[in-house]
Amino acid sequence: NAGVTQTPKFQVLKTGQSMTLQCAQDMNHNSMYWYRQDPGMGLRLIYYSASEGTTDKGEVPNGYNVSRLNKREFSLRLESAAPSQTSVYFCASSEAAGFNEKLFFGSGTQLSVL
Amino acid sequence: AQTVTQSQPEMSVQEAETVTLSCTYDTSESDYYLFWYKQPPSRQMILVIRQEAYKQQNATENRFSVNFQKAAKSFSLKISDSQLGDAAMYFCAYRPRNRDDKIIFGKGTRLHILP
Repeated sequence: NAGVTQTPKFQVLKTGQSMTLQCAQDMNHNSMYWYRQDPGMGLRLIYYSASEGTTDKGEVPNGYNVSRLNKREFSLRLESAAPSQTSVYFCASSEAAGFNEKLFFGSGTQLSVL
Repeated sequence: AQTVTQSQPEMSVQEAETVTLSCTYDTSESDYYLFWYKQPPSRQMILVIRQEAYKQQNATENRFSVNFQKAAKSFSLKISDSQLGDAAMYFCAYRPRNRDDKIIFGKGTRLHILP
């Protein structure tokens, strides 16, 4: 099925380990996003990319880096994982900016940092 | 800074009844978009309804409608004839008209449907 594909679905890390969350969309969308979801905190934007080759910080960028490798792919990297980064991570892409905008979300990555 | 506030962490409604979820936002922009997204237990995010700020008419989508009060910066979601499948987390979201600006979400309201 067309859409946003995130890998992995689950991951357990030890404090200090690094990892990259992969995200790819096949809908030719310009904008892509990374959110984290924590209980009682809703969805918080980590980074976003308005177009290929550009990235910008969101609300909670500390401890993360991103790469917009091409129009399809937008990866999120944790260089040195911390327990505070335990969360569910969602990648999303958008169809169009403005009113017709509709976010398409991946199925999420459950990350636990011990 | 733009913020979105959902003051009801959880709500319950009897099946077939009507429920209203509240959302307020803070912005200095005059032109923007507002959205309600639904997240069922599957974790998939589903767009429920959207509203343009410069349109006075409230958006409706079948059993879902909004009450948009621009001066009060309020954007509530009304669900009529509630069904068991409506049980989910609901997120209110805001985006300025500028295409480079990101979408900001509220903390969500978990809706329970009582049979």
